[in-house]
Amino acid sequence: SQKIEQNSEALNIQEGKTATLTCNYTNYSPAYLQWYRQDPGRGPVFLLLIRENEKEKRKERLKVTFDTTLKQSLFHITASQPADSATYLCALSTNSGYALNFGKGTSLLVTP
Amino acid sequence: GAGVSQSPSNKVTEKGKDVELRCDPISGHTALYWYRQSLGQGLEFLIYFQGNSAPDKSGLPSDRFSAERTGGSVSTLTIQRTQQEDSAVYLCASIPAGGESRGTQYFGPGTRLLVL
Repeated sequence: SQKIEQNSEALNIQEGKTATLTCNYTNYSPAYLQWYRQDPGRGPVFLLLIRENEKEKRKERLKVTFDTTLKQSLFHITASQPADSATYLCALSTNSGYALNFGKGTSLLVTP
Repeated sequence: GAGVSQSPSNKVTEKGKDVELRCDPISGHTALYWYRQSLGQGLEFLIYFQGNSAPDKSGLPSDRFSAERTGGSVSTLTIQRTQQEDSAVYLCASIPAGGESRGTQYFGPGTRLLVL
């Protein structure tokens, strides 16, 4: 069966460190992989999109890698800040169908 | 500019009642999605509208769920004879015209539905 797995345990890190979140998938051939941020009581907010033929994408303090051999994406936040505390969602889309398939998300807590 | 808006923000209803949830996408956005997010679960795709094409209803969990999109803009998700397991946050998202259908989605704040 198709699965998108993100660490269910919350990630606690100290301000200034790099946070690394993992997204693993099985039985998908994703054309795109996206990362979203979700704060309590709010809808997800788009952060980054990476295509199947791209290895890495950066945006300010954010970096996403995409390894289609390992079937894994890593999401990095460098110089993390308490304001980065949120739940981060990984989402895949394929070339068939229009839905985004989401993981359950990983909660990140950055402490001062 | 204005983002995706949803109403009501919260809805409490009794089991067996019908509910209507509304989504106003960003002006000019042609694609619209509905998702459901249950406590501790990921977002579950429900239905997708793109322009005047027939909607993709493959994610609707039962025939109690239906959705319409009038005039290519506002969408209404209707749940008939609500059950307690329908309790969740219902999220709407839209994509701009010309945007990749599998690309960036702009989400509304959601409607929190509680069925007693």
